[in-house]
Amino acid sequence: SQQGEEDPQALSIQEGENATMNCSYKTSINNLQWYRQNSGRGLVHLILIRSNEREKHSGRLRVTLDTSKKSSSLLITASRAADTASYFCATEENAGNMLTFGGGTRLMVKP
Amino acid sequence: DTAVSQTPKYLVTQMGNDKSIKCEQNLGHDTMYWYKQDSKKFLKIMFSYNNKELIINETVPNRFSPKSPDKAHLNLHINSLELGDSAVYFCASSPRGFDDTGELFFGEGSRLTVL
Repeated sequence: SQQGEEDPQALSIQEGENATMNCSYKTSINNLQWYRQNSGRGLVHLILIRSNEREKHSGRLRVTLDTSKKSSSLLITASRAADTASYFCATEENAGNMLTFGGGTRLMVKP
Repeated sequence: DTAVSQTPKYLVTQMGNDKSIKCEQNLGHDTMYWYKQDSKKFLKIMFSYNNKELIINETVPNRFSPKSPDKAHLNLHINSLELGDSAVYFCASSPRGFDDTGELFFGEGSRLTVL
């Protein structure tokens, strides 16, 4: 089954820097979502971008979607130590279908 | 109040045993899921229920049997546990169903360790 792949697998930055994570997928999608998972916790939804959208913002988060390249990026601006977590992209291939998750990017933000 | 709650949070058991994990959501959602997260953090869907009916069963061994007594509950029963079943199991719910998956609301996970 289709699965998104995040890149890089791990990222370490200083507080205040921007963090960019990428997600690639294999087939056409209905929407793509980003989730955050703090260590030992459940996943928390961050943002959903539909296949007919190219960019979305939510606070310090910016998500882009390029359906021609089958890729998405998540940008976290002015990172904080509290942003330390794993970030997952998830794709919905057809409307009403299941979400398929990638392996995640582990982000560490050093104070 | 916790939106999606799972119990137990930790479960340690011997091979061959049978165990259950319970999940409840108080969000009024129609669709619920079970996901398995392995040691490398990969998340794989196991089951999806919409309004108590099984929608998705992703090549999960018959030893895993979900049960949904009502649309607010989706329990997972596992028979004859094997070492490879060790993982974190996440329950999730979604306000949408057939026409749009929408965002998922996850529980905190149940870490199963099979010895």
